[in-house]
Amino acid sequence: IAGITQAPTSQILAAGRRMTLRCTQDMRHNAMYWYRQDLGLGLRLIHYSNTAGTTGKGEVPDGYSVSRANTDDFPLTLASAVPSQTSVYFCASSPGQDTDTQYFGPGTRLTVL
Amino acid sequence: DQQVKQNSPSLSVQEGRISILNCDYTNSMFDYFLWYKKYPAEGPTFLISISSIKDKNEDGRFTVFLNKSAKHLSLHIVPSQPGDSAVYFCAASDKNRDDKIIFGKGTRLHILP
Repeated sequence: IAGITQAPTSQILAAGRRMTLRCTQDMRHNAMYWYRQDLGLGLRLIHYSNTAGTTGKGEVPDGYSVSRANTDDFPLTLASAVPSQTSVYFCASSPGQDTDTQYFGPGTRLTVL
Repeated sequence: DQQVKQNSPSLSVQEGRISILNCDYTNSMFDYFLWYKKYPAEGPTFLISISSIKDKNEDGRFTVFLNKSAKHLSLHIVPSQPGDSAVYFCAASDKNRDDKIIFGKGTRLHILP
């Protein structure tokens, strides 16, 4: 693994189903983030984690949950998917609690029908 | 309430000429600004940043200018190259408050041959 990876690359999901988007980084970064990108709305922060064991809510957290059991992994769970959660999801990480640089994964394209 | 505004959804520039992407912000507490570049089907990548104590930062063909009194920053690319065709996101943060980055909606840059 090099950098930050996300899985799956894309997914079509029936409304009401549970889905977990995976994110793994091998850079030993403390902070990790989940964003969604929607046409005309740019990137919006869903949840973040400043360090393993802690999480926080971003701008659009409703309908999503995260966990940070270790440094490397930061999964995003949709407990009961709805069509408005159709989006491209990006995971990102940064070395510490600063904003010098966030490194983004390749994204997961999620379609909820 | 959009704190970071990129009012031009798209911009077309002739190859070899200067590309100027603009960004306005409303939060006077923002003290750190970044530009990210995004190609289709890839995650955003960090391009250049500037602290509020500076009014200019240059890195090769890329220069970011900050006008704090106008709450405006711009990204200059000169000369523009075909590989510069991408979506550019302006972003800002208040380092004294937290490490959350607020992104603009993005500007799609087309470099014309």
